[in-house]
Amino acid sequence: AQKVTQAQTEISVVEKEDVTLDCVYETRDTTYYLFWYKQPPSGELVFLIRRNSFDEQNEISGRYSWNFQKSTSSFNFTITASQVVDSAVYFCALSDAMNTGFQKLVFGTGTRLLVSP
Amino acid sequence: EAQVTQNPRYLITVTGKKLTVTCSQNMNHEYMSWYRQDPGLGLRQIYYSMNVEVTDKGDVPEGYKVSRKEKRNFPLILESPSPNQTSLYFCASRPGGRLTEAFFGQGTRLTVV
Repeated sequence: AQKVTQAQTEISVVEKEDVTLDCVYETRDTTYYLFWYKQPPSGELVFLIRRNSFDEQNEISGRYSWNFQKSTSSFNFTITASQVVDSAVYFCALSDAMNTGFQKLVFGTGTRLLVSP
Repeated sequence: EAQVTQNPRYLITVTGKKLTVTCSQNMNHEYMSWYRQDPGLGLRQIYYSMNVEVTDKGDVPEGYKVSRKEKRNFPLILESPSPNQTSLYFCASRPGGRLTEAFFGQGTRLTVV
């Protein structure tokens, strides 16, 4: 079965610090997708990134970067020079072909990031 | 504007009183899902639909019903709500074909007393 583990329940940093949110996944499928979503205090879910299992290239988008490593089944998310507006709960999620036919996202339990001024 | 719209956003109800949470998307997406979010558990899928009149159970379907009579709408029905269904609910949609990201509604916070 698939599983996503976000071991960090809550992280507190001071503005301008770099912070990395860990995500470890489990799947027996060779074809799968990984996602990160942001849930700000207002409650909605905001899509951040999608990565498929065949593309291990790391990605950078502004202050955000993602490190996908199949060897360790990890898809970690780094925020550089954090800002107060980055305070949110961040979810990592997995969808694969074998078990779910891509019909669902399996979410981790989320990491709450608190950025103080 | 492309969006998934849920109503109501907040609802407090009593045990056993039937309720419906509506979900509508304007993107002509084939796939729609319902998730519930609970502290320490993340989001879990309740039901999903691959197209009109095609629905199937997710991981936590007990106590819920859904229907998909039109492509744009996917209501979640609680026939006899119980306190353990107090949760934050999200509707999501995405196009068919190759996997893309899911678009989520704003969420419905339900309290059953």
